[in-house]
Amino acid sequence: AQSVTQLDSHVSVSEGTPVLLRCNYSSSYSPSLFWYVQHPNKGLQLLLKYTSAATLVKGINGFEAEFKKSETSFHLTKPSAHMSDAAEYFCVVTTNRDDKIIFGKGTRLHILP
Amino acid sequence: GAGVSQSPRYKVAKRGQDVALRCDPISGHVSLFWYQQALGQGPEFLTYFQNEAQLDKSGLPSDRFFAERPEGSVSTLKIQRTQQEDSAVYLCASSSKRGGGLDEQFFGPGTRLTVL
Repeated sequence: AQSVTQLDSHVSVSEGTPVLLRCNYSSSYSPSLFWYVQHPNKGLQLLLKYTSAATLVKGINGFEAEFKKSETSFHLTKPSAHMSDAAEYFCVVTTNRDDKIIFGKGTRLHILP
Repeated sequence: GAGVSQSPRYKVAKRGQDVALRCDPISGHVSLFWYQQALGQGPEFLTYFQNEAQLDKSGLPSDRFFAERPEGSVSTLKIQRTQQEDSAVYLCASSSKRGGGLDEQFFGPGTRLTVL
């Protein structure tokens, strides 16, 4: 079985400062991990994915995430926040074993001017 | 280009009413998925179609939920005798791949259903 925990339901950062959105996962098998962003009235958009290749994954819009097996974490970071980054972010775990897709509860990112 | 579209975008229903939610996938996409996203939660898988065949309906929460895709393109999610706990955003996604891993799915904007 797998699960995913997003440790913060809300995160607020000032524009131009770093962003850290935390995600911990649990999986009986080798996981695939994803981060999605959801802007109001828009469809979910894939930011990046980890599928057992490089542990540091670069995505769109300057986001990246690092897979740390020892910590069962896949935190999302961005060096400098932009106002347009304000949205809901979801961490997702799947495995090839059973094709189940498990979304976290989401973290709402607020950007302060 | 055209993405996945869903209609209506908002639906208010009285408890006990039947509702039908429509999904227009990207043209030519063989796989279609429905998800339910309750307030403050992440999306949860409901059902999956490959062309017109419903290959997985393990996520449908009750027999009041029914989905169809009769011609392998447009899909309709029907909820009978709606209950307040059915209030959620219903997301549709499509993929050009059979099976369609998550990263290959394109999501629509969702239909927000509110049951009074």
